[in-house]
Amino acid sequence: AQKVTQAQTEISVVEKEDVTLDCVYETRDTTYYLFWYKQPPSGELVFLIRRNSFDEQNEISGRYSWNFQKSTSSFNFTITASQVVDSAVYFCALRPYGNNRLAFGKGNQVVVIP
Amino acid sequence: GAVVSQHPSWVICKSGTSVKIECRSLDFQATTMFWYRQFPKQSLMLMATSNEGSKATYEQGVEKDKFLINHASLTLSTLTVTSAHPEDSSFYICSARLETKNTEAFFGQGTRLTVV
Repeated sequence: AQKVTQAQTEISVVEKEDVTLDCVYETRDTTYYLFWYKQPPSGELVFLIRRNSFDEQNEISGRYSWNFQKSTSSFNFTITASQVVDSAVYFCALRPYGNNRLAFGKGNQVVVIP
Repeated sequence: GAVVSQHPSWVICKSGTSVKIECRSLDFQATTMFWYRQFPKQSLMLMATSNEGSKATYEQGVEKDKFLINHASLTLSTLTVTSAHPEDSSFYICSARLETKNTEAFFGQGTRLTVV
């Protein structure tokens, strides 16, 4: 079974501050995918990133960056210079290779204060 | 990315009635779609996996007679909440994944169901 832990439930930051969301996972599978999704107040889930367990290279996309550390089973997400539009719930998820089932963490509610 | 459309976005129904929610993959074919339920301030819980042309696979604790799933075509899956009760009020969201490669799942906009 897979388990994804996002310990911080709600995080408030002032606009332009950086915010890092922690994600720790457990799985017995040797090959798997990790994801981050954004859920704004409207409710839809927006895909942000997919990372293969073989690929530990960190990634930056605009103000977003991800730090994958397989040794500590973590896949942390940082928003740099946060903006009000970043206010949302962010979910970390894991799916074993060849398996359809996505295991979600509980989500991080990010509130960016203007 | 691929587009998944869910309809309706919100629905209010009377207790005892049935409600049908549609999930369509607009620009790709999906032999498998997924239905999730999300309570306020909670994570997404997988309810069932919908398979085109065959019976859905339900997660433990999900009543298959209560939540009827039909996946009649490669682009459409439906979830029918039968004899809805107030405790069925929730946010329901579907997803689909491109079958040609091991990729991310794309989600519909979700349906907020309120049973009064």
